[in-house]
Amino acid sequence: KQEVTQIPAALSVPEGENLVLNCSFTDSAIYNLQWFRQDPGKGLTSLLLIQSSQREQTSGRLNASLDKSSGRSTLYIAASQPGDSATYLCAGASGANSKLTFGKGITLSVRP
Amino acid sequence: DAMVIQNPRYQVTQFGKPVTLSCSQTLNHNVMYWYQQKSSQAPKLLFHYYDKDFNNEADTPDNFQSRRPNTSFCFLDIRSPGLGDAAMYLCATSREQTYEQYFGPGTRLTVT
Repeated sequence: KQEVTQIPAALSVPEGENLVLNCSFTDSAIYNLQWFRQDPGKGLTSLLLIQSSQREQTSGRLNASLDKSSGRSTLYIAASQPGDSATYLCAGASGANSKLTFGKGITLSVRP
Repeated sequence: DAMVIQNPRYQVTQFGKPVTLSCSQTLNHNVMYWYQQKSSQAPKLLFHYYDKDFNNEADTPDNFQSRRPNTSFCFLDIRSPGLGDAAMYLCATSREQTYEQYFGPGTRLTVT
């Protein structure tokens, strides 16, 4: 059974800092991994999807990597801005059924 | 714009009074999911439809039912809401089970 862990639960950084959010998973036979953003009281916005055959994906200031052998994914945010403040969740899909297993998320606060 | 729509955004119901939450999509995706998310917790999959095939999670209470009358719409019925069912309910879609999931804005359910 896939388990997904995100540590720490919260992170506060000054504006402009480059930062890395970590995600670890237990089942290396992961099918894909997806990073989401969630603003308070809102739904989830998909940021990046990495298929198992890929090592990384990039979108604007965001870069996500996937290392199946170590069971880790990272989300890199360049030049952070106060508007990046939100909760970031990673979710892994195992097998063809691809049900997503979510981590609890990392709540990011970017201070002006 | 193609999207996932949830109605209502906020729902208040009384203890034991049946309630129905609605989800519609303009993406023409085959798969639709319902998740429950409680405060500061990861989203928990309740069930999903692959076309008309219904897939219930083993630990989803019988109190929760779902209907998908056509490709575009999916409903979540809570037959007798308890106080513990107060949560954010998230609908998601994907083109196939292995593909990226797109989420709606969620319905915040309050049980009084």
